[in-house]
Amino acid sequence: EVQLVESGGGLVKPGGSLRLSCAASGFTFTNAWMSWARQAPGKGLEWVGRIKSKTAGGTTDYAAPVKGRFTISRDDSKNTLYLQMNSLKTEDTALYYCTRDEAMFGFDYWGQGTLVTVSS
Amino acid sequence: DIQMTQSPSTLSASVGDRVTITCRASQSISSWLAWYQQKPGKAPNLLIYKASSLESGVPSRFSGSGSGTEFTLTISSLQPDDFATYYCQQYNSYSITFGGGTKVEIK
Repeated sequence: EVQLVESGGGLVKPGGSLRLSCAASGFTFTNAWMSWARQAPGKGLEWVGRIKSKTAGGTTDYAAPVKGRFTISRDDSKNTLYLQMNSLKTEDTALYYCTRDEAMFGFDYWGQGTLVTVSS
Repeated sequence: DIQMTQSPSTLSASVGDRVTITCRASQSISSWLAWYQQKPGKAPNLLIYKASSLESGVPSRFSGSGSGTEFTLTISSLQPDDFATYYCQQYNSYSITFGGGTKVEIK
């Protein structure tokens, strides 16, 4: 059974930093492309960024609102995906989802999300 | 970035109705479009990928069509479990975008 379990969310002040983790199981994580998506309270879905598998180059892409502030990385030895968030703004407040990104086939598995609140 | 516009934003329907949701892309995305269903307090669930391919385990009353810039999600006979919010997503470019969502409510 595929499982994606996010952790690391919490309350942080504007300008602060936070690192989210996503523990993956039930599939070959090494071969997977992974994405982060977020959803502000009562709002729609927003893609945050993606990391490709190392065999596909391991490169990252980011949405414009987070480019230069957020960094996605992966530790294939631990089957874990990370989202390092710096210079956080109040508009980054959202539920952050880890997803398996099947490139041509959409996001087929999602975690339950971890809540990030940016407030003074 | 490619913008995705969904319509309507809210739809009121009854059990048994045929429901159609439209998604328009600001430029051609070929068939690189997915549809998701999200229920309150839950993560989204993939329904359709590559515009018209049904994800495994998804009921056949869901179908997708379109290519280029205009796409539709159709529910042939709305069931009680289908009242939810639906999102389209383009993955044609290196920057992925979602539509604003369509909430399907009970009439």
